[in-house]
Amino acid sequence: NAGVTQTPKFQVLKTGQSMTLQCAQDMNHEYMSWYRQDPGMGLRLIHYSVGAGITDQGEVPNGYNVSRSTTEDFPLRLLSAAPSQTSVYFCASSPLRQGATNEKLFFGSGTQLSVL
Amino acid sequence: SQQGEEDPQALSIQEGENATMNCSYKTSINNLQWYRQNSGRGLVHLILIRSNEREKHSGRLRVTLDTSKKSSSLLITASRAADTASYFCATGRGGYQKVTFGIGTKLQVIP
Repeated sequence: NAGVTQTPKFQVLKTGQSMTLQCAQDMNHEYMSWYRQDPGMGLRLIHYSVGAGITDQGEVPNGYNVSRSTTEDFPLRLLSAAPSQTSVYFCASSPLRQGATNEKLFFGSGTQLSVL
Repeated sequence: SQQGEEDPQALSIQEGENATMNCSYKTSINNLQWYRQNSGRGLVHLILIRSNEREKHSGRLRVTLDTSKKSSSLLITASRAADTASYFCATGRGGYQKVTFGIGTKLQVIP
């Protein structure tokens, strides 16, 4: 059972480049989410999804797009990377209790992104 | 702004002592969770307490929740060097669950 898999683990981009961070889970979890972690800021929620075809914004959504075409996958797209997006990105998933309430989150191992 | 705030931001104790971390939050919640993170790796879930619960135990962990004060505490008893990590509280709220995190407490347990 692989859990939550994130790729790539490391990425360096130039300002203005685009890329997609991949996240896949094999636990049939309804809820998936993306966080970024910056020193002294903790984890901040970027986008989340409660099922295929349903996404919503978190605390810091600007500059990021998401889609959820399947239960398993929740990619995060940076359309035009900026130095302010240099961060460590974590994907997480959880089942939804009675369809609405989160249970514990399972985290991927993270992607370290540098934008030059 | 972030929902949860942990206090203290850093804590250094001797092995064998107890460590207490606090979390305050701003709006009503469905549950509150505590996570541990070792050296920038992925977070690991420790314990979840629901809004209708006041205290929960798991091994050496004890979590309390006071919804009237919008606060929670995490107690680690008989700490070990392996407990050295950052600890985060996270709150689940809303009809569709947004889980948001505090800025964390960095715990150092000195052998």
